Amino acid sequence: EAAVTQSPRNKVTVTGGNVTLSCRQTNSHNYMYWYRQDTGHGLRLIHYSYGAGNLQIGDVPDGYKATRTTQEDFFLLLELASPSQTSLYFCASSGHNSGNTLYFGEGSRLIVV
Amino acid sequence: QQKVQQSPESLIVPEGGMASLNCTFSDRNSQYFWWYRQHSGEGPKALMSIFSNGDKKEGRFTAHLNKASLYVSLHIKDSQPSDSALYFCAENTGNYKYVFGAGTRLKVIA
Repeated sequence: EAAVTQSPRNKVTVTGGNVTLSCRQTNSHNYMYWYRQDTGHGLRLIHYSYGAGNLQIGDVPDGYKATRTTQEDFFLLLELASPSQTSLYFCASSGHNSGNTLYFGEGSRLIVV
Repeated sequence: QQKVQQSPESLIVPEGGMASLNCTFSDRNSQYFWWYRQHSGEGPKALMSIFSNGDKKEGRFTAHLNKASLYVSLHIKDSQPSDSALYFCAENTGNYKYVFGAGTRLKVIA
């Protein structure tokens, strides 16, 4: 099964702080995604990428930056964290066909106080 | 913007019973559909996919798709306590954006 690893698994930061969430996939997948999960909203797409150096805007991008440095690594950056960004963040990857399944990491829980 | 609506929000079924989860979507261009399951403390995992109209059965799980009605469902037969989880439906119109519903929380009681 596809392996997607996220770090850190838990993070607490203060309002206005900088946070970087990391994701690595080891399955040579082209596509990588960042979602946030909130009760009542399900999984909402923040950013995604189809390869190193590429970035596509998702549905809830405000306040987030992302960078895909290699095929394996995708980072989510919160440069001025706000309490509204307290959430459970998931990274996922998939192959190059639209019918491919998404494989998720175990999640990173972020609390902004 | 694509929208995916799931119902019910939560569901309690007895062990051995049938659980039925529903999902409607807004985009007639949607082509690919999945059901994902998330146990507490874990990431979502794909349960099954369905791309053609009709039924698809995998063990105790049956998915049904009706693209004309913008509807997909999941039925779990002989529900087990281990089926207790959060279930998401997801769609993709072929543009590599996977859109998820808000989820149905299923609890199977012994």
